[in-house]
Amino acid sequence: QSVLTQPPSVSGAPGQRVTISCTGSSSNIGAGYDVHWYQQLPGTAPKVLIYGNSNRPSGVPDRFSGSKSGTSASLAITGLQAEDEADYYCQSYDSSLSVVFGGGTKLTVL
Amino acid sequence: QVQLQESGPGLVKPSQTLSLTCTVSGGSISSGSYYWSWIRQPAGKGLEWIGHIFTSGSTNYNPSLKSRVTISVDTSKNLFSLNLSSVTAADTALYYCARVIGSWDLVDYWGQGTLVTVSS
Repeated sequence: QSVLTQPPSVSGAPGQRVTISCTGSSSNIGAGYDVHWYQQLPGTAPKVLIYGNSNRPSGVPDRFSGSKSGTSASLAITGLQAEDEADYYCQSYDSSLSVVFGGGTKLTVL
Repeated sequence: QVQLQESGPGLVKPSQTLSLTCTVSGGSISSGSYYWSWIRQPAGKGLEWIGHIFTSGSTNYNPSLKSRVTISVDTSKNLFSLNLSSVTAADTALYYCARVIGSWDLVDYWGQGTLVTVSS
């Protein structure tokens, strides 16, 4: 059981908007720790999609955006494309001095 | 460009100790405000943080694995290592080493991962 809770799967048609939630607690997200999002394509290591709740590294399309409120965070993907089909993970830090991940969400582009 | 490369046995017997090394190239393991982490991923499942080490030698471990994990660093060889004792089939996974930006607690570089199978 992961410390951060994500939906196991989401789906959407090309061009649509989808969101992925990440729910934590008062010892991690709610304690003010930043939330980061990673995209993992099949057979590859995860790569940073969003860092510091809402910042995009260079090269990441602005179709991807992140937000955080209270003990939760969200990743939004607009203008869905076939290449966005991947697993997405949120990550934060916990007051127990540990890095924590969400369980991951599989995005299917219909 | 920093690169991380995991190495170690791909097959470990139950009850034995899993030992992996991560060699860092393209930069000194001691430079900058980073810490160095091990993360694993069982087949078809999510990411699990195992623990991390600062180049000072200070460590933090996942509470669920803490009794079995040791992470060490050798700055002279630019590498860090993982030992996981008393392994069972549940420890079978793809093991990643990674660099973490300390000020963000953000993993910015990952190794390619190495598959470790626990089986007799």
